[in-house]
Amino acid sequence: ILNVEQSPQSLHVQEGDSTNFTCSFPSSNFYALHWYRWETAKSPEALFVMTLNGDEKKKGRISATLNTKEGYSYLYIKGSQPEDSATYLCASAGGTSYGKLTFGQGTILTVHP
Amino acid sequence: DVKVTQSSRYLVKRTGEKVFLECVQDMDHENMFWYRQDPGLGLRLIYFSYDVKMKEKGDIPEGYSVSREKKERFSLILESASTNQTSMYLCASSLSAGDLMEQYFGPGTRLTVT
Repeated sequence: ILNVEQSPQSLHVQEGDSTNFTCSFPSSNFYALHWYRWETAKSPEALFVMTLNGDEKKKGRISATLNTKEGYSYLYIKGSQPEDSATYLCASAGGTSYGKLTFGQGTILTVHP
Repeated sequence: DVKVTQSSRYLVKRTGEKVFLECVQDMDHENMFWYRQDPGLGLRLIYFSYDVKMKEKGDIPEGYSVSREKKERFSLILESASTNQTSMYLCASSLSAGDLMEQYFGPGTRLTVT
């Protein structure tokens, strides 16, 4: 079982702050890294799927980077808004071809108005 | 939009009961997954299916079985529910096999076993 770790476990920021959190994963047997956002009372939704070392993806105020050699990914949120409050999950895919993901425990972000 | 639905949002069952959790997706996806989510542990894969009648064990299959008789429906079965199966259960689907395929999740079923 791949060991995917996320930090911090929870984070409280003020509206307008920029923030970032980390996902670390074993760099051996790595194939792809997924980020999901899970808002309370809703379904988790995919943010990014990344595979290439040095890759950077962006969606609005949210961006992510990937370092496959050292086994980490950062998720950045610029100018946090209360609607960004959610649990952010990362998951690593190890090349099984079935699309099987190993998830981290998540980072709970709370943005205070 | 892909829609993944689960039969119940909340469910309360007694120890020893047989429990069925149903999941349906409407976008002809090949792959379907069952996870459970517990505080501090993240999502853990119970079983997945890559085709009708095909199933593979995930990381924590003990105490569970699954059924996929039709492409759009994937059922999770707790043969004899126990209190340690109290959890949030999430179903997901993806278009096809492959690690680049994003997964689409249902809203979850919060199961309590008393």
